[in-house]
Amino acid sequence: SYVLTQPPSVSVAPGQTARITCGGNNIASKSVHWYQQKPGQAPVLVVYDDSDRPSGIPERFSGSNPGNTATLLISRVEAGDEADYYCQVWDSSSDHLGVFGTGTKVTVL
Amino acid sequence: QVQLQESGPGLVKPSETLSLTCSVSGYSISYGYYWGWVRQPPGKGLEWIGAIYHSGSTYYNPSLKSRVTMSVDTSKNQFSLRLSSVTAADTAIYYCTRRGDGLFGYYFDHWGQGTLVTVSS
Repeated sequence: SYVLTQPPSVSVAPGQTARITCGGNNIASKSVHWYQQKPGQAPVLVVYDDSDRPSGIPERFSGSNPGNTATLLISRVEAGDEADYYCQVWDSSSDHLGVFGTGTKVTVL
Repeated sequence: QVQLQESGPGLVKPSETLSLTCSVSGYSISYGYYWGWVRQPPGKGLEWIGAIYHSGSTYYNPSLKSRVTMSVDTSKNQFSLRLSSVTAADTAIYYCTRRGDGLFGYYFDHWGQGTLVTVSS
């Protein structure tokens, strides 16, 4: 089955940029989506189709998927961005299924 | 505005069947999209369980396929999950979701608030 690997944690100072990576086999051939999950809350979609933002998501959230690793960037980080972030793809290669990354805890220093 | 709400028992005994229902408001599931379930064991990551279309077409996670059944009731605008032969490993927050259709892939654009199901005798 398809595996998505993320760093367990990322720490960033307020106002700086957080970079969260998501690695998978030939991931550039897939469409990557990103979710933010705050404690006790359901996940929220923040980026879809590699780099698009749903309505209401700040421009500070941006995504890219140019090569071996997909990336979510959070610029001008705020205290309210502290959360778990998950990448996700849809694996249509064999069984059609949703696959989530291992998750990254973003800590704002 | 699309809203999803899970309901069902919060405690299930080992070897029994977990049953949850998701009620959808603000959108008729008969119009389209796949609707499904994602779970999250306490303190752990997200796991996709499966999805169902209003016609009854389903996709299930292969790791759970032998124990999962999903159904849809368009008259009530609800869909349901049944997971049989549960063990403590099935203890998790269960979220119902809508699967959005991107240009190149599928994602989950609407989520319920989640419901904790504990498997214990």
